[in-house]
Amino acid sequence: QVQLQESGPGLVKPSQTLSLTCTVSGGSISSGDYYWSWIRQPPGKGLEWIGYIYYSGRTYYNPSLKSRVTISVDTSKNQFSLKLSSVTAADTAVYYCARGSRFGELPIDYWGQGTLVTVSS
Amino acid sequence: SYVLTQPPSVSVAPGQTARITCGGNNIGSKSVHWYQQKPGQAPVLVVYDDSDRPSGIPERFSGSNSGNTATLTISRVEAGDEADYYCQVWDSLYVFGTGTKVTVL
Repeated sequence: QVQLQESGPGLVKPSQTLSLTCTVSGGSISSGDYYWSWIRQPPGKGLEWIGYIYYSGRTYYNPSLKSRVTISVDTSKNQFSLKLSSVTAADTAVYYCARGSRFGELPIDYWGQGTLVTVSS
Repeated sequence: SYVLTQPPSVSVAPGQTARITCGGNNIGSKSVHWYQQKPGQAPVLVVYDDSDRPSGIPERFSGSNSGNTATLTISRVEAGDEADYYCQVWDSLYVFGTGTKVTVL
């Protein structure tokens, strides 16, 4: 059973960089079958896909966030990470890491529990 | 960008049938997935590829997709089905619907 767990600061100041890490257990990021995503959900609102990464380091980002997003992978630790720069209050959300596929041919079948990140001074 | 439109809310009595629609331009040509999200929890996949169910999901959950509308149907609704439901497709990126809150009366 694959499990994902987000970790990182719950409070970030405006204009700073949000950094989160997702640790995958029960399966290897390097298996090659999946792409590893970040998805967020502002309080009381819907889901927004941020981007994904393949174990090789190939990335693809939501165009609406592309200029501020960096996703990286550390296969030795079975982890992948999110950096979102120049944050504002609008970036306050629950951030989920999840497992999907390159062209969405597979559903997002495993999700982390989510971590709330608040942007506030 | 591709937009998926869902009704904000659906109310249904226990034992009855709930139908949640997801509208999108020619959505029938895409694979639609549905997620259930209970308060404070991560989404859970309940239907994938329009009408397939992951293991462990009751047969009461079913889906269909044609034309400009995909539909998630929950038969014999139970109190535990009360949640937010999101449809999702791939359109050069992962796109989620606006979400529907299902209330069991």
